[in-house]
Amino acid sequence: GAGVSQSPSNKVTEKGKDVELRCDPISGHTALYWYRQSLGQGLEFLIYFQGNSAPDKSGLPSDRFSAERTGGSVSTLTIQRTQQEDSAVYLCASSQYGVGYNEQFFGPGTRLTVL
Amino acid sequence: GESVGLHLPTLSVQEGDNSIINCAYSNSASDYFIWYKQESGKGPQFIIDIRSNMDKRQGQRVTVLLNKTVKHLSLQIAATQPGDSAVYFCAENSGGSNYKLTFGKGTLLTVNP
Repeated sequence: GAGVSQSPSNKVTEKGKDVELRCDPISGHTALYWYRQSLGQGLEFLIYFQGNSAPDKSGLPSDRFSAERTGGSVSTLTIQRTQQEDSAVYLCASSQYGVGYNEQFFGPGTRLTVL
Repeated sequence: GESVGLHLPTLSVQEGDNSIINCAYSNSASDYFIWYKQESGKGPQFIIDIRSNMDKRQGQRVTVLLNKTVKHLSLQIAATQPGDSAVYFCAENSGGSNYKLTFGKGTLLTVNP
């Protein structure tokens, strides 16, 4: 079946502009996650959705970052007034919901470059 | 992608050799551990997992070892193949979380034919 998809695959923007990154999770997966992967680093947790609610936003770096999820499916990560340090690969993952840990399936990511 | 490989620990092996990739995790309360493989331009792909009530788990050509005393995790790949070339990450469920993962920085494995 289809995996997690993300769009765009690449985004180049100018400092100060806003960007929106989209994630389509695996159908039926109620949990959705956003991570950021910077140069030479592992993945950094940003936010977790259960359905349309975000019980954990603790990883969002600043108030310029926000995310929403609608219909328990598609999620959008928005970065306002982008800065050069926002340049990274933004990865989305989804998982089924259940007791205990459930495997997260990752999308291919969106590579964001802020000039 | 290719930029992830910069500044990472690297391991270079010959095709057919066994590879061992090591990882130190940070939170003694974490009780679930995962190894991911990330090829250039792709998202991380699940390889194998282990729970804290185990010391060893085997899959197809891969074995994960867990040493809780020193908070150390290793991934062994038998008969390494060129297709195994990738960045490998360990991850822990942060302090026992049922959703939040903390990732290590990754190791770049290069398999020479």
